[in-house]
Amino acid sequence: QVQLVQSGAEVKKPGSSVKVSCKASGGTFSSSALSWVRQAPGQGLEWMGGIIPIFTTAKYAQKFQGRVTITADKSTSTAYMELTSLRSEDTAMYYCAGRGWELDYWGQGTLVTVSS
Amino acid sequence: QSALTQPPSASGSPGQSVTISCTGTSGDVGAYNYVSWYQQHPGKAPKLIVYEVTKRPSGVPDRFSGSKSGNTASLTVSGLQAEDEADFYCSSYAGSNNLVFGGGTKLTVL
Repeated sequence: QVQLVQSGAEVKKPGSSVKVSCKASGGTFSSSALSWVRQAPGQGLEWMGGIIPIFTTAKYAQKFQGRVTITADKSTSTAYMELTSLRSEDTAMYYCAGRGWELDYWGQGTLVTVSS
Repeated sequence: QSALTQPPSASGSPGQSVTISCTGTSGDVGAYNYVSWYQQHPGKAPKLIVYEVTKRPSGVPDRFSGSKSGNTASLTVSGLQAEDEADFYCSSYAGSNNLVFGGGTKLTVL
């Protein structure tokens, strides 16, 4: 069973960047898709983008184009999501989730708080 | 991409059945059989309960079932139990390597 473990909570200033990691274990990291999904407080789920590590090329939701970068390090089975130009509206729980267009396994979430 | 449309709330009594709809377009729900449903309890990560419209992951009770007609997908929860009370989200592949979610439905077991 694949397990995804994410990095810890972050507090950031407006205008700065955050990079969240997601380490996979117990499965085939390189050939499975891995997505990033965020959830603002009291709000719904929002797909940000995803990557298949073996192909290295990421795909991003239009809303986040130019502000998000998703990468993967096959040697450490770790995926990363970097979000730049942070604003208060980016305060949310950020999840990594994997498998395909169905998100079968999820990380525990990383809370990113953007506050001056 | 626009979010899929779900009713904000649904409810039913224990033992009853409830159906949650998820309406998209001919570019997402209507075009692909990659509709999934997730259950999320407060403070927890979402859990996949239905994928590819009708399939259930191992361990998910058969009380949860999915279907699709045209641009609308549906999740039916039969034999409602207290622990089914949660938020439910649908998602669909939307082409060009994009995924879109519904706004979520809060299910209350009366």
